[in-house]
Amino acid sequence: DVKVTQSSRYLVKRTGEKVFLECVQDMDHENMFWYRQDPGLGLRLIYFSYDVKMKEKGDIPEGYSVSREKKERFSLILESASTNQTSMYLCASSARGGVTNEKLFFGSGTQLSVL
Amino acid sequence: SQQGEEDPQALSIQEGENATMNCSYKTSINNLQWYRQNSGRGLVHLILIRSNEREKHSGRLRVTLDTSKKSSSLLITASRAADTASYFCATVRSGSARQLTFGSGTQLTVLP
Repeated sequence: DVKVTQSSRYLVKRTGEKVFLECVQDMDHENMFWYRQDPGLGLRLIYFSYDVKMKEKGDIPEGYSVSREKKERFSLILESASTNQTSMYLCASSARGGVTNEKLFFGSGTQLSVL
Repeated sequence: SQQGEEDPQALSIQEGENATMNCSYKTSINNLQWYRQNSGRGLVHLILIRSNEREKHSGRLRVTLDTSKKSSSLLITASRAADTASYFCATVRSGSARQLTFGSGTQLTVLP
């Protein structure tokens, strides 16, 4: 089975801190995604990457950046955390190409609280 | 912006009953997927239906797709307490092969 691992289950940070959320997948997937999930808003796509060193903005990229230096690892960076970035962050991956390959495999999520 | 919207937002049924959740979307799609999320966890893929399919089954799950109405339904038959979770529909917009857009989900509670 595909395993997508997020480095932290819970994280508490202060306003203005730089925050790194790490995600690793073990199935050689080309595509990786970062979503945030808020009550009543569902999942919203922040950034995604379809290859090493490639990235594309999702629906809500403001205040975030990403890094993909290795195929298996996709990092989400909050340059200066703010309280409105308190949320559940979900990483996902999928294989390249074809309609049926667009199934996503998710990590367990990181609940980030910014105080 | 939200592509898929689930209805109802919350659903509570007795064990053994069927649960039906609906999803509406706005733009043309390549496929539609349903995911399940247990409380505080990541999402798990349940079933994918392509835009040229009308119905699909997987175990106790039945999904229908009506592209003319831009809607889909997920039916869980003979529900169990373990089916208690949030259920999300997700769509792949035509021309956006890599992006899945999720609705806000239906919270299903199955009472024992």
